[in-house]
Amino acid sequence: QQPVQSPQAVILREGEDAVINCSSSKALYSVHWYRQKHGEAPVFLMILLKGGEQKGHEKISASFNEKKQQSSLYLTASQLSYSGTYFCGTSEGDKLTFGTGTRLAVRP
Amino acid sequence: GAGVSQSPSNKVTEKGKDVELRCDPISGHTALYWYRQSLGQGLEFLIYFQGNSAPDKSGLPSDRFSAERTGGSVSTLTIQRTQQEDSAVYLCASSLGLAGANEQFFGPGTRLTVL
Repeated sequence: QQPVQSPQAVILREGEDAVINCSSSKALYSVHWYRQKHGEAPVFLMILLKGGEQKGHEKISASFNEKKQQSSLYLTASQLSYSGTYFCGTSEGDKLTFGTGTRLAVRP
Repeated sequence: GAGVSQSPSNKVTEKGKDVELRCDPISGHTALYWYRQSLGQGLEFLIYFQGNSAPDKSGLPSDRFSAERTGGSVSTLTIQRTQQEDSAVYLCASSLGLAGANEQFFGPGTRLTVL
C-alpha cells in the first residue's frame, strides 16, 4: 500500500524551513527519501533504518518513528536548489513503495 | 560509465507494437529495479532482479509486460502489444544490494509514447 505524504505542495522563501511527512500503514524496515527535479531522475537523499541507523547526506535531517510507521524530512534554511518533488519510499525489506510526492518550490 | 544508463531515451510507437527498453546498471550492483512514472505522478514499482532472478514481479501491470536480466548486468523490459495507457517514463535503478538497506541509483529514464 502506498505511503501517504503531506503536504502535497509547499512554497517557501529562501532561508525558510519546511517539514515533509510520510506515513505508512505497514510495519517498516526502512524509509527512504529522494528528490526529483523536473525532467530528471530521482536523486538519493537519505535512508532511515529500523533500529536507528541512518545513511545519507550530512546536510539532510530526517526522523523515523518505527512504532507509528512515520518519517519526517526536515529542510532548514532552504536554498533555491532545494526546489523539486520529494518522494518517500517505504520498504519491508526488498523493494520500495513510493509515496505520491511533495512538490517544494523555493522562491528568492 | 559511472552511472546507470538507459536506452532509448525516447520511444514513440504505434498502438499494438512491441517495444524493448534497456537498462545498464552500475557495475557490481547486484540489484536492479524497474519503475514506471506517469506524468506528474509518483514512481510505480514494476519488478526487481537480484542477480538474474526476479523474486518479485508483482508490479507488472499485465502479462504484456515482461523483463529479463542476463549476466547479472543488463536488463530488458519488454512491452508487447502496447496500449496508450502504457505511455509513461520508465525508470531503472540499481543498488549494491536490496533496496531496503541500500541507496538506489536511477538512470535518466525512457520516455515511451504510444500513439
